[in-house]
Amino acid sequence: DIQMTQSPSSVSASVGDRVTITCRASQGISNWLAWYQQKPGKAPKLLIYPASSLQSGVPSRFSGSGSATDFTLTISSLQPEDFATYYCQQANSVPLTFGGGTKVQI
Amino acid sequence: QLQLQESGPGLVKPSETLSLTCTVSGGSISSSSYYWGWIRQPPGKGLEWIGSIFYSGSTYYNPSLKSRVTISVDTSKNQFSLKLGSVTAADTAVYYCARHAGAAAANGFDPWGQGTLATVSS
Repeated sequence: DIQMTQSPSSVSASVGDRVTITCRASQGISNWLAWYQQKPGKAPKLLIYPASSLQSGVPSRFSGSGSATDFTLTISSLQPEDFATYYCQQANSVPLTFGGGTKVQI
Repeated sequence: QLQLQESGPGLVKPSETLSLTCTVSGGSISSSSYYWGWIRQPPGKGLEWIGSIFYSGSTYYNPSLKSRVTISVDTSKNQFSLKLGSVTAADTAVYYCARHAGAAAANGFDPWGQGTLATVSS
């Protein structure tokens, strides 16, 4: 199985801050990576796939980069609605696996 | 707009079988472009993919759960279902259904159902 490791597990930030979340795969996955945002009590929402393409309707302050084993999700200017937990997911091979999540909080 | 909705008992006894159904509306489950998957999330924890199915009935499962999982599809009802046997408290989780393109979800899981909490307790 491909293990996905996110860091940090939580980050404290303020509105307007630039926030960067890292996801590392235990083996190369090319660019087969998706990012999700999850708010409390809600289903995850797809933000980015594969690796750097924004899903339709996702604000441009979100961006993704990386390939092979190292990936980054960046929020350029944090907005109040961005406080949530973010997950990465590898789409290279079965079993499909997710990172442990990064909670972005005030 | 495609929507998915999970349904099923919220409480299951230990050693019994958890059964959930996902109803797809606003589109056909028989599309040759998509797979249909189940993902779960224990309270306060991360996401775990359980398995997926194609409209033809072809399935693939997470090896960690494979011995206890069966996913099936009913195209006439536009539904797919999950059965998880021999449950324990560790199977208590919010269970989500979601659509994905390609066997490895290359385009991500989207959309998702709202999720349903299944609690294993006597």
